[in-house]
Amino acid sequence: GAGVSQSPSNKVTEKGKDVELRCDPISGHTALYWYRQRLGQGLEFLIYFQGNSAPDKSGLPSDRFSAERTGESVSTLTIQRTQQEDSAVYLCASSLDSYEAFFGQGTRLTVV
Amino acid sequence: AQRVTQPEKLLSVFKGAPVELKCNYSYSGSPELFWYVQYSRQRLQLLLRHISRESIKGFTADLNKGETSFHLKKPFAQEEDSAMYYCALRGPYYGGSQGNLIFGKGTKLSVKP
Repeated sequence: GAGVSQSPSNKVTEKGKDVELRCDPISGHTALYWYRQRLGQGLEFLIYFQGNSAPDKSGLPSDRFSAERTGESVSTLTIQRTQQEDSAVYLCASSLDSYEAFFGQGTRLTVV
Repeated sequence: AQRVTQPEKLLSVFKGAPVELKCNYSYSGSPELFWYVQYSRQRLQLLLRHISRESIKGFTADLNKGETSFHLKKPFAQEEDSAMYYCALRGPYYGGSQGNLIFGKGTKLSVKP
């Protein structure tokens, strides 16, 4: 596809379960970002991958959160033992150069 | 550490009125600054970037290094400008690669008829 694709679009999970969110960046984009957007709030940085460099994990809110990226392709964000405060829209973006980041449509996570 | 501050959570103006969305930043170096916009039910997208010095949809933003600001302005707001606006800063480079992209909390602009 031409754009950043995220799956699933919506995810409802029970408190305490693990969830995995997927991001397919635009082909060839070296940088990949994950953000969290709580209802009525702004964008909260989670993690940033740049090529083969060590990822910047400084935004991950707790050790329940982790993310992986295979080379310069797919990334997965994993949330273990989900809590209700994890409910949010999780956004992924990718970029090639230093100018524009392209965003996915997001995954809406609801923890019940 | 780099930081982006948007002091207004909500800005409400009438159609045809001027609008200014404030953005201040904290960064040790030469920053790259951007404005992103999210219209209702659409993806977040780039509106403009400071290095291009362009006007998009009537919006302009000037980087003021002395005041560490990058305010977004439009002389005459339109109803279709209603959206969420995010100021963003690109962080330091390392190893020749682009740096991280940090966003402010966002300002919701509401343009009333």
